[in-house]
Amino acid sequence: AQKVTQAQTEISVVEKEDVTLDCVYETRDTTYYLFWYKQPPSGELVFLIRRNSFDEQNEISGRYSWNFQKSTSSFNFTITASQVVDSAVYFCALSLSTGGGNKLTFGTGTQLKVEL
Amino acid sequence: EAQVTQNPRYLITVTGKKLTVTCSQNMNHEYMSWYRQDPGLGLRQIYYSMNVEVTDKGDVPEGYKVSRKEKRNFPLILESPSPNQTSLYFCASGEGALAEEQFFGPGTRLTVL
Repeated sequence: AQKVTQAQTEISVVEKEDVTLDCVYETRDTTYYLFWYKQPPSGELVFLIRRNSFDEQNEISGRYSWNFQKSTSSFNFTITASQVVDSAVYFCALSLSTGGGNKLTFGTGTQLKVEL
Repeated sequence: EAQVTQNPRYLITVTGKKLTVTCSQNMNHEYMSWYRQDPGLGLRQIYYSMNVEVTDKGDVPEGYKVSRKEKRNFPLILESPSPNQTSLYFCASGEGALAEEQFFGPGTRLTVL
């Protein structure tokens, strides 16, 4: 069975600080996808990134960067120079292409609060 | 605009009163799914559908029904809602049988009194 662990329930930072959100996953499959979603206070889920299990290249998109390490089964998310608008719940998720139905297994989320 | 829509967005109801939450997508996706979100638990899958007339249980299907009579629609039915079904519900759709990427609706906040 697959599992996603986000050990940080809540993180508070001051604006302009860098912050890393941790994600550890478990699966026996060799083909899988990892995702990060953002859920702002308005409640919708905003897709941030998808990474497949064969691509361990780190990715940077503006102030966001992701570090995928298969050796430690981690897919961590870093926000550089955080802003108040980054305040949200962030979910890491794992998807397996089992052919019998695709399911996103979500972590429990990390609440990020960015204060002035 | 490609999107997944859900209705209603907010609903307050009473125990035992049957309700339906509709979900519709305009992307011609084969795969559709329902999730519920609860504090401290993240999102958990309720039911999913690989295609028309094909549905299957997710992790938490008890107390829910679904149907997939048309490709674009995937309603979630609560025949006899109970307070433990108070939650935030998301519908999602995905392209193809593997649906590696899923597109989410805006969510429906349900309160059962």
